[in-house]
Amino acid sequence: QQQVKQSPQSLIVQKGGISIINCAYENTAFDYFPWYQQFPGKGPALLIAIRPDVSEKKEGRFTISFNKSAKQFSLHIMDSQPGDSATYFCALITGRRALTFGSGTRLQVQP
Amino acid sequence: DARVTQTPRHKVTEMGQEVTMRCQPILGHNTVFWYRQTMMQGLELLAYFRNRAPLDDSGMPKDRFSAEMPDATLATLKIQPSEPRDSAVYFCASGLVLGQGDIYEQYFGPGTRLTVT
Repeated sequence: QQQVKQSPQSLIVQKGGISIINCAYENTAFDYFPWYQQFPGKGPALLIAIRPDVSEKKEGRFTISFNKSAKQFSLHIMDSQPGDSATYFCALITGRRALTFGSGTRLQVQP
Repeated sequence: DARVTQTPRHKVTEMGQEVTMRCQPILGHNTVFWYRQTMMQGLELLAYFRNRAPLDDSGMPKDRFSAEMPDATLATLKIQPSEPRDSAVYFCASGLVLGQGDIYEQYFGPGTRLTVT
């Protein structure tokens, strides 16, 4: 069953713009919400993560916003750069510490 | 620079053949995961191990897939017999989990691209 829904499937943003990717989950059995970044031909790599007791976390140009009541969390990329062009996955971590991934968002930042 | 290694990086085989993929987790990591990535299904968890013991393999087709950790430095994923629908990129990842509720990072290998004709 799909426990996390990610949108949009693809996103085109101009250089300098803001990229926003959203995820919604279905139950409360998760205690850690990471985002992974994947470049073509590479494995996913952890970008940024948040725990549910925090509503926002910022690392450089990347920010996670978390809304526990709405069961939603989102990734914001400020001042998007062509080098940010990649596929982004939200994920949930279960009590047994395994990841469930969203379907992915392919981001293209145009120069 | 510690990293997860996977071999082979690419594998082309004919339907019905056995395929074995290998993974060397990062030294000291106690948890190893196998994922499969396809355009249609995205990233799917196949199986994972903690301290070499299988914790969950419910994502794996049991009749043809098997996963093992012969020792702490080697994880294997075997498909026998392989089918065209098994064509995908298979990722291994490892992490160090210290306990329930622990926050940890999964480090992914570069993947094995499998094509079954």
